[in-house]
Amino acid sequence: AQSVTQLDSQVPVFEEAPVELRCNYSSSVSVYLFWYVQYPNQGLQLLLKYLSGSTLVESINGFEAEFNKSQTSFHLRKPSVHISDTAEYFCAVSDRDQGGKLIFGQGTELSVKP
Amino acid sequence: ETGVTQSPTHLIKTRGQQVTLRCSSQSGHNTVSWYQQALGQGPQFIFQYYREEENGRGNFPPRFSGLQFPNYSSELNVNALELDDSALYLCASSLGAGGTDTQYFGPGTRLTVL
Repeated sequence: AQSVTQLDSQVPVFEEAPVELRCNYSSSVSVYLFWYVQYPNQGLQLLLKYLSGSTLVESINGFEAEFNKSQTSFHLRKPSVHISDTAEYFCAVSDRDQGGKLIFGQGTELSVKP
Repeated sequence: ETGVTQSPTHLIKTRGQQVTLRCSSQSGHNTVSWYQQALGQGPQFIFQYYREEENGRGNFPPRFSGLQFPNYSSELNVNALELDDSALYLCASSLGAGGTDTQYFGPGTRLTVL
């Protein structure tokens, strides 16, 4: 069965520093990958997604993630974080066989300090 | 364009009771998926409805049931509530039921079982 591992449960970082949130998934023939962000007491918002094509995908607020098939990873990066990026980040995967079922990781709490 | 809405926002029940949670999908979306998010965990897939039919189910007992209506809104019903059912229940809608169809989440219903 498909599974997702987010390697860090908490990532503290100072404002304007770079950050990487790590995500690995179990191998499958055809996977689709997503990063969602959850602010306190809110639902999930889509940050970015990989469906096919270019392995590097970007969000409108400066995040990017790279699909690495050989390492079964989809790490999220941002070169310079802001206080407002403080939130919980979830990596999720679906695949061709599971249809619309999203499998989520446990989440990474990003805490940006001034 | 109205996003995904859920009601109620908060709910307190006692063990053994029954509860109904509601979800209105985004305009034009025919698929609704339900997830349970326990405190400190990633969301877990409960089931998905596509054009009023159940289209996949996660590892949840039969006391979790659902409906989708002709306007594509949906209900999640939970019978014989247990303490472990305390969680944030998230609804997501999408244009279709495939793995590439992005799911847009509502704000969630926080259920507390005493």
